[in-house]
Amino acid sequence: QTVVTQEPSFSVSPGGTVTLTCGLSSGSVSTSYYPSWYQQTPGQAPRALIYSTNTRSSGVPDRFSGSILGNKAALTITGAQADDESDYYCVLYMGSGTWVFGGGTKLTVL
Amino acid sequence: EVQLLESGGGLVQPGGSLRLSCAASGFTFSSYGMTWVRQAPGKGLEWVSVIYTGGTSTYYADSVKGRFTISRDNSKNTLYLQMNSLRAEDTAVYYCATTSSYYYAYWGQGTLVTVSS
Repeated sequence: QTVVTQEPSFSVSPGGTVTLTCGLSSGSVSTSYYPSWYQQTPGQAPRALIYSTNTRSSGVPDRFSGSILGNKAALTITGAQADDESDYYCVLYMGSGTWVFGGGTKLTVL
Repeated sequence: EVQLLESGGGLVQPGGSLRLSCAASGFTFSSYGMTWVRQAPGKGLEWVSVIYTGGTSTYYADSVKGRFTISRDNSKNTLYLQMNSLRAEDTAVYYCATTSSYYYAYWGQGTLVTVSS
């Protein structure tokens, strides 16, 4: 069973830059996994941020960006703001019609 | 404006059944794949199932395979999830989401399913 890995928690200072990653328990993440990223605040539905590795979803500010860094997908937030404090999830397409979410990263802005 | 409204959640005993619905509006429902994602209390997101536009291509997570059935009625702009043989570990908020270009652009607000005696 493949596990999608994310940092459980991360912190960033206001105005700072943070990179969250999304890896595999076995193997490397590539664009063929179509990594996408979602932001979720408590009690709310997730919101799409990035899809197909590095394409921003409609209305998402350009301080959110996606990439492949080494063997992982990455979400970079540049110029972090207080309302970026959220849970962030990646999801990977595993083939054969199935998808797997990472465990999520709780981002603190302080 | 895209709207997805889930319904049908509630309290059910272990071994019981429940059918969730997701009513869609504001977009051409028949042109989109649709996915169910769930989130257990205090836990992360879990992909459950996807159905593509024609309704004949469906896929499931191993955790629900053989117990859950996804379907859609394009004439009613509605997505369904029939859940049978429910277990305590199926307790979660269930979200429906549009699926295209390999991502979930729009999400509903979710419906809570609680499996408990």
